[in-house]
Amino acid sequence: EPEVTQTPSHQVTQMGQEVILRCVPISNHLYFYWYRQILGQKVEFLVSFYNNEISEKSEIFDDQFSVERPDGSNFTLKIRSTKLEDSAMYFCASSEQIRLVGNSPLHFGNGTRLTVT
Amino acid sequence: AQTVTQSQPEMSVQEAETVTLSCTYDTSESNYYLFWYKQPPSRQMILVIRQEAYKQQNATENRFSVNFQKAAKSFSLKISDSQLGDTAMYFCAFMRTQGGSEKLVFGKGTKLTVNP
Repeated sequence: EPEVTQTPSHQVTQMGQEVILRCVPISNHLYFYWYRQILGQKVEFLVSFYNNEISEKSEIFDDQFSVERPDGSNFTLKIRSTKLEDSAMYFCASSEQIRLVGNSPLHFGNGTRLTVT
Repeated sequence: AQTVTQSQPEMSVQEAETVTLSCTYDTSESNYYLFWYKQPPSRQMILVIRQEAYKQQNATENRFSVNFQKAAKSFSLKISDSQLGDTAMYFCAFMRTQGGSEKLVFGKGTKLTVNP
């Protein structure tokens, strides 16, 4: 079964540094998402992306964050000038259709654990 | 804004027994989707079961079933014949079907431990 792939699985960075989290969504999927889970807390929506532009973003997704689909297969989340509170598990997800209708559930990757020191 | 509440931070069950995880939500929408996701220690988020609010019939997937009470805004997950591999965090999630929002709103999760 096709999977959403995220790299790296764990990233350690120093406060103030930039990080790029990478995701390869399932090939025929059109809708892409990033979610975040701070340790011990609930999973929170960050941003959704369709047709090469952001379709929705949360309050968390401020100017520090950006997303890009640079080459038609990868979907990246960039965090500029990381802060300690950015430490979390970041999940990429994709779906074939909007609204997760029919047989088009949201497929999550295994996540990237980001540790900011 | 929609909210999802899981009132049981932790639960445990003996192998082969049945356990029910609770979830309530708050919305003014009439149609929406509800989901249960499983997150084992590997941290992957796995869809367990999905319910569309306009469908009265409760969804089932093998050993997993839901009790969807729309008027009460309740969406509990029942796991029958619990297995050791069911040990995981379980998240209830809500999604609107209209209005342009595509995001899932998650509850805080219930940590389920299946004991041998």
